[in-house]
Amino acid sequence: KQEVTQIPAALSVPEGENLVLNCSFTDSAIYNLQWFRQDPGKGLTSLLLIQSSQREQTSGRLNASLDKSSGRSTLYIAASQPGDSATYLCAVVSGTASKLTFGTGTRLQVTL
Amino acid sequence: GAVVSQHPSWVICKSGTSVKIECRSLDFQATTMFWYRQFPKQSLMLMATSNEGSKATYEQGVEKDKFLINHASLTLSTLTVTSAHPEDSSFYICSASQSLGTEAFFGQGTRLTVV
Repeated sequence: KQEVTQIPAALSVPEGENLVLNCSFTDSAIYNLQWFRQDPGKGLTSLLLIQSSQREQTSGRLNASLDKSSGRSTLYIAASQPGDSATYLCAVVSGTASKLTFGTGTRLQVTL
Repeated sequence: GAVVSQHPSWVICKSGTSVKIECRSLDFQATTMFWYRQFPKQSLMLMATSNEGSKATYEQGVEKDKFLINHASLTLSTLTVTSAHPEDSSFYICSASQSLGTEAFFGQGTRLTVV
């Protein structure tokens, strides 16, 4: 059974700092890995999708890497802003049913 | 990106009544949609996989007679919480993707409160 873990569970940084969020998964046989952002009481916004054959994806200040063999992904946020404050979730698709297994999430707070 | 619309965004109902939540893929066809449940400060837990034109596949521990799923078209799946009780109060979110291995898009979520 696939299990996804995210570290740290919570993080508070001052504005402008670069930061890294970590995601690990137990079964390396994945189709893809996706990073999401969730604001309180809201749905999920897709940030980046990395296919199993890829090693990284970039979008603006966000960069996500994937090391499938070791079961790890990182989300790098450059020059953090207060508007980046949210919960960040990683999720992997594995198995034949295209189901997403979510990590436990990292609550990020970027302070002024 | 593709758009998935979920309705309603919030609902309050009396204990014992049923509530229907809709999930629509607005600009693509989705043969498969997923329903998740999220408790406060916790991650998303998959409840069931909704398959167009066939029965939904429920995760272990999810009562299929309580959470009725209907996927009658390629753009619409519904989740009906039957005989709702306060412990069913939660945040329900649906997702869809165009095909296996492609990006998953999520609805806005529905906050259900049973009083």
